[in-house]
Amino acid sequence: GENVEQHPSTLSVQEGDSAVIKCTYSDSASNYFPWYKQELGKRPQLIIDIRSNVGEKKDQRIAVTLNKTAKHFSLHITETQPEDSAVYFCASRAGSSNTGKLIFGQGTTLQVKP
Amino acid sequence: DTGVSQDPRHKITKRGQNVTFRCDPISEHNRLYWYRQTLGQGPEFLTYFQNEAQLEKSRLLSDRFSAERPKGSFSTLEIQRTEQGDSAMYLCASSLGLGQGNYGYTFGSGTRLTVV
Repeated sequence: GENVEQHPSTLSVQEGDSAVIKCTYSDSASNYFPWYKQELGKRPQLIIDIRSNVGEKKDQRIAVTLNKTAKHFSLHITETQPEDSAVYFCASRAGSSNTGKLIFGQGTTLQVKP
Repeated sequence: DTGVSQDPRHKITKRGQNVTFRCDPISEHNRLYWYRQTLGQGPEFLTYFQNEAQLEKSRLLSDRFSAERPKGSFSTLEIQRTEQGDSAMYLCASSLGLGQGNYGYTFGSGTRLTVV
C-alpha cells in the first residue's frame, strides 16, 4: 500500500547550521510532494512543495529535492534559526488516480539551539 | 473567510458517547479532508469529499465513524460509541480541485478529543 517513511525522527542543530530531512515513498505514481511545519499546539502549515516534473525547488532558506528514480525527496533548511524549531512532515500524493489524498510521514522534530 | 474553521477546539467525552465535530473549509475550496493525528505521529487519512460527494474513506475507519458534507460547504464527522483509542486530534483540511492546479492543503486548528 501507500507509505511514506521519514528520517530522522529527531534532529538537533546549532543555529546557523543546515538541517536535512529525508523521505521515501512507495507509490511510483506519486506526483506531488509537500512539506508541512507544525509548531507546538498549532495546525500544520505548508512551507514548500514540489511536483514530479521538477527536480529541485527553492524558497529563500528552504529547498526541496526530488529523486524520482530512487523514490525519495528531501527538505533542506540553511542558516537555521530558533524559530525553525518545530515538527516537519513530508507527504506524497498518489498520481495514479484522481485523488487529493496525501499520505504523511511520521514527522521530524527539529530543534535549533541558539 | 480567514481559513479553515473547526468546532469545537476541545471535546472531553465519556466512553460510549457519541460526538460530532464540524469543519468549515475555505469557501472556494471544493475538496475537504479529515485526518486524525496522535501524539508523535503524522496526520492519518480518514476520508475526503469533493463538493458533497464522499470520494474515499480509509479502510482503517471503523463503521463507528461517519462523515457528511450535505451541501458541499461545511462537513461533520461523527464518532459513535466512542472508545479510548479514539482520543486524538481530528484535523480538517481543504484544497482546490486537482483541475485547478493547486494541490496544497490548508489545515484547520483541529478538534482535540479526549475519551475518558
